[in-house]
Amino acid sequence: SQQGEEDPQALSIQEGENATMNCSYKTSINNLQWYRQNSGRGLVHLILIRSNEREKHSGRLRVTLDTSKKSSSLLITASRAADTASYFCATAGDFGNEKLTFGTGTRLTIIP
Amino acid sequence: IAGITQAPTSQILAAGRRMTLRCTQDMRHNAMYWYRQDLGLGLRLIHYSNTAGTTGKGEVPDGYSVSRANTDDFPLTLASAVPSQTSVYFCASSATGSMNTEAFFGQGTRLTVV
Repeated sequence: SQQGEEDPQALSIQEGENATMNCSYKTSINNLQWYRQNSGRGLVHLILIRSNEREKHSGRLRVTLDTSKKSSSLLITASRAADTASYFCATAGDFGNEKLTFGTGTRLTIIP
Repeated sequence: IAGITQAPTSQILAAGRRMTLRCTQDMRHNAMYWYRQDLGLGLRLIHYSNTAGTTGKGEVPDGYSVSRANTDDFPLTLASAVPSQTSVYFCASSATGSMNTEAFFGQGTRLTVV
């Protein structure tokens, strides 16, 4: 079963707008990570947020984590056509349950 | 530095045949993973290895086996392929087995079992 579930499954926005994707998970985590996948390619790590952190920034990316709601969001500001890709959240459990478990992903399309 | 290399890039395989997907990393990472990616199901963990000499089962291990004889290599074997194993397979590695660091992915192997 999937640990993480992304919402929405697909998102289309105009270039320059902000894109927000959400991720919900089921069990306690050590950290949550976001990955990007271009069509036909492998996944690329974007950002990692630990369970004791609430917000993290990296360039145009902003990630929030709410452990009480078991949810995270990824915000991409000032979107570009090159941001078109699938985005996945992944959760890592604590020691003894360390496997990285992925959600089903959000397909983001940026319209030029 | 190549990172993670998977081979082959794609393969068409007759049902019942044995197949080994190769994965090599040059980052000296302790942990390695095999995932399969199917449309609508995201990535599902098949097997993993936290360090050379150890392996563990993931979410969907049936029909697959792995070995970790050394740090760099983590081959995935399908003993007798079935059509439901048609998928894109990704190998990944991370510095530690605790997943406190990012995972690096290969480019994938597209496998079709007919």
